Amino acid sequence: EADIYQTPRYLVIGTGKKITLECSQTMGHDKMYWYQQDPGMELHLIHYSYGVNSTEKGDLSSESTVSRIRTEHFPLTLESARPSHTSQYLCASSETLSETQYFGPGTRLLVL
Amino acid sequence: SQQGEEDPQALSIQEGENATMNCSYKTSINNLQWYRQNSGRGLVHLILIRSNEREKHSGRLRVTLDTSKKSSSLLITASRAADTASYFCATDAGGYALNFGKGTSLLVTP
Repeated sequence: EADIYQTPRYLVIGTGKKITLECSQTMGHDKMYWYQQDPGMELHLIHYSYGVNSTEKGDLSSESTVSRIRTEHFPLTLESARPSHTSQYLCASSETLSETQYFGPGTRLLVL
Repeated sequence: SQQGEEDPQALSIQEGENATMNCSYKTSINNLQWYRQNSGRGLVHLILIRSNEREKHSGRLRVTLDTSKKSSSLLITASRAADTASYFCATDAGGYALNFGKGTSLLVTP
């Protein structure tokens, strides 16, 4: 099992609420990633980070924002949740950009 | 952009049979990786094969890479019900992140 954790695992929330999805890893990896994945579908990279104070947008445009104040922590925030944000969010980390990525268990978000 | 493309999209076999899934990609790569995802969970890394390698084994897994055809295959031998999952290939083309394919859904029935 990889040492990367996500909380909450499941979240049901009403439209307009602000939410933060937590992701933390204890492997000391500089590279961290957020993916969005609908059931049975492909992964879409929405954010990534090269290290502390580095955040970049991924291939899929997202209304979410991320921060990287500490190496081990890479939270994702939605200021105002909408039903279109309903999806599974996967966090991952890696030692380098090209090597193995270690994934957390994911957060399933349902916005009503 | 998604570079890897797995086929078939879905595969159903019986326990004990072998499962083969393929991945094709478009540009030159540094390495190709295979991941497994159980329903509703995160992905788990299975195996990494570098561009200068042609074949790699890990337990019941065998991965081949043909850079001239820009394709890879994942063979799972003597499959078990626990192998039921989605399998994704991911390519490192020197960009800022891996490119994941759409996945193959494997169902292994007793």
